[in-house]
Amino acid sequence: SQQGEEDPQALSIQEGENATMNCSYKTSINNLQWYRQNSGRGLVHLILIRSNEREKHSGRLRVTLDTSKKSSSLLITASRAADTASYFCATVPNTGTASKLTFGTGTRLQVTL
Amino acid sequence: NAGVMQNPRHLVRRRGQEARLRCSPMKGHSHVYWYRQLPEEGLKFMVYLQKENIIDESGMPKERFSAEFPKEGPSILRIQQVVRGDSAAYFCASSPRPGGPDNEQFFGPGTRLTVL
Repeated sequence: SQQGEEDPQALSIQEGENATMNCSYKTSINNLQWYRQNSGRGLVHLILIRSNEREKHSGRLRVTLDTSKKSSSLLITASRAADTASYFCATVPNTGTASKLTFGTGTRLQVTL
Repeated sequence: NAGVMQNPRHLVRRRGQEARLRCSPMKGHSHVYWYRQLPEEGLKFMVYLQKENIIDESGMPKERFSAEFPKEGPSILRIQQVVRGDSAAYFCASSPRPGGPDNEQFFGPGTRLTVL
């Protein structure tokens, strides 16, 4: 099965609410990264969390990592309409090509006014 | 400092034709990655190149696909004898340092290939 799966696949919330997205992966990782993709555009790097870290914050973003469960979550607080996008987690392995990103299937977030 | 540039942004080819996708990394970056994104899916790694070297091509289909990153000029992803299943968005990313796991990869806007 696929490395890196996000859930939910789609999420619709109202502006001001919090959005939580989860990501699971299968192999041993060096770090996990979250990216945002607006419709029809390229990816924007949001945040990176290393395998020895458990939680990281950046502005309205909070990322957690549980290596024992091979899972991560991305929380966007006080969401805005501009947060509407697809969000992908990507893992960097501990072995092999260190920079090779393995992406999940993504969560499509819709924030309505 | 311009970001990663890809051209063309949209490319339409008929079955059997060749597709050439170009990627100019960010200034000062000498490491390029190509990814493919099928509709409604995440990105799949294809190939990792440094100047004049292919470092990892484990994600490249065995036939019809090739990539290069010459000493001068952009990186090129070439797809020969395209088929409808090649229709996808192809993204290029670049990074400044050799193979570090913490390297942030900066993505281009992608080339959307449609095969008729």
